[in-house]
Parts: sequence; structure tokens; C-alpha cells
Amino acid sequence: AQKVTQAQTEISVVEKEDVTLDCVYETRDTTYYLFWYKQPPSGELVFLIRRNSFDEQNEISGRYSWNFQKSTSSFNFTITASQVVDSAVYFCALSGSSGGSYIPTFGRGTSLIVHP
Amino acid sequence: SQTIHQWPATLVQPVGSPLSLECTVEGTSNPNLYWYRQAAGRGLQLLFYSVGIGQISSEVPQNLSASRPQDRQFILSSKKLLLSDSGFYLCAWRWDGKLFFGSGTQLSVL
Repeated sequence: AQKVTQAQTEISVVEKEDVTLDCVYETRDTTYYLFWYKQPPSGELVFLIRRNSFDEQNEISGRYSWNFQKSTSSFNFTITASQVVDSAVYFCALSGSSGGSYIPTFGRGTSLIVHP
Repeated sequence: SQTIHQWPATLVQPVGSPLSLECTVEGTSNPNLYWYRQAAGRGLQLLFYSVGIGQISSEVPQNLSASRPQDRQFILSSKKLLLSDSGFYLCAWRWDGKLFFGSGTQLSVL
């Protein structure tokens, strides 16, 4: 069975602060994928990133960066210089090869509130 | 380009009434389709997924059912809604290993 834990239920920051959202996962699969999705107040989930289990390189996209560490089973997401538009619920997800289905399991989400 | 449509956006239904939520995908063929539910303040729970016409896998025993009458159409149904069926329902399709979501339906059962 696979599991994703996002221990932070809600984070509140002031604009321009850096913020890190934590994600810890469990899986027995050797091949798997990790994802981050953003859910703004409108409700639709927006895909942010996918990382496969064989690629531990960190990734940066503008103000967003992701730190994947297999040794600690973590895939953390950092927003640099946060903005009010970053306010949303962020979900981490894991998709493993068990049964060949690769169906993602989602964490409970972290609600990020960025105050002006 | 591929797009996913989901409707209605909001729905208020009395307990015991039937339900039908529809999801369609454009711009692709034979997609893997998924129904998720998000209860208030909670994460996403996979309800059903389908890898082809008439093929439905249920993840959680419940009051709901799903059907896939056409390649790019996925329907979530119930014969009699319960209060506990309230939530935000999201349809998704999978492409290149990623899930892309519809805009969701907010269902309130009163």
C-alpha cells in the first residue's frame, strides 16, 4: 500500500516570505512518481510537477522549487518570495507501479494562506 | 488540445433523490478516467476509475456507481443520495502519467 503524509494542515505567511510545504511518502514500489498539485479557491486542481523515483535532481521553476530525497522519502515544495496568488491548497501525490495501475494516492493537502 | 468538461458546477439535492454527474474529455481517445471526491477540509478520495468503455473499477464500497457508456464519457450516479454523499466531486483523465482535472461539482445533499 502506498501512503502520502502532509503533516502541515495549514500554513500562514506574509507576502514575500519563503515557505516550504512538506511531503513524506511510503511505498514498496521501486518505480514510482511523485506529484504536486495546486487547488486555488476555484476548486480545480492544477498540475505543478511530476518527478520519477530514479531522478533525485532538485528542480526549480521560477519561484517554485522541489527537493526530492529518497533517503528520507520526502518530496518537499518551496515557494520563494510568496505572493497572495499563491494562496491555495497544495496536494502531494504518489503513483506507484503496484498492479500496473499507477493510480495516484493523494495526501490530505496543506492550505497555504499568504497575507498581503 | 485536450480538455475535460464536468457539469454541473454546483448541485443541491434532497436526501433520497437520484444523482447523475457527467464528465467528458475532448481531444484524445481511450483515456483512463477517474472520479475523486473531496470532503470538506479533507484530501482526495478515489471513487472509481475506468480504463475503457464499460470497464469500471470501484475503490470504495458506497452508495455511488459509475458508468462509461462512451469512450470519452464518464458518469457518476446514485439511486438515492445520502447526507454523507455531500462533497466536491472531481473527474480526471490521465495522460503521460499525469492526472488532469475537471473544474469539479460541489454537491450538497440536504
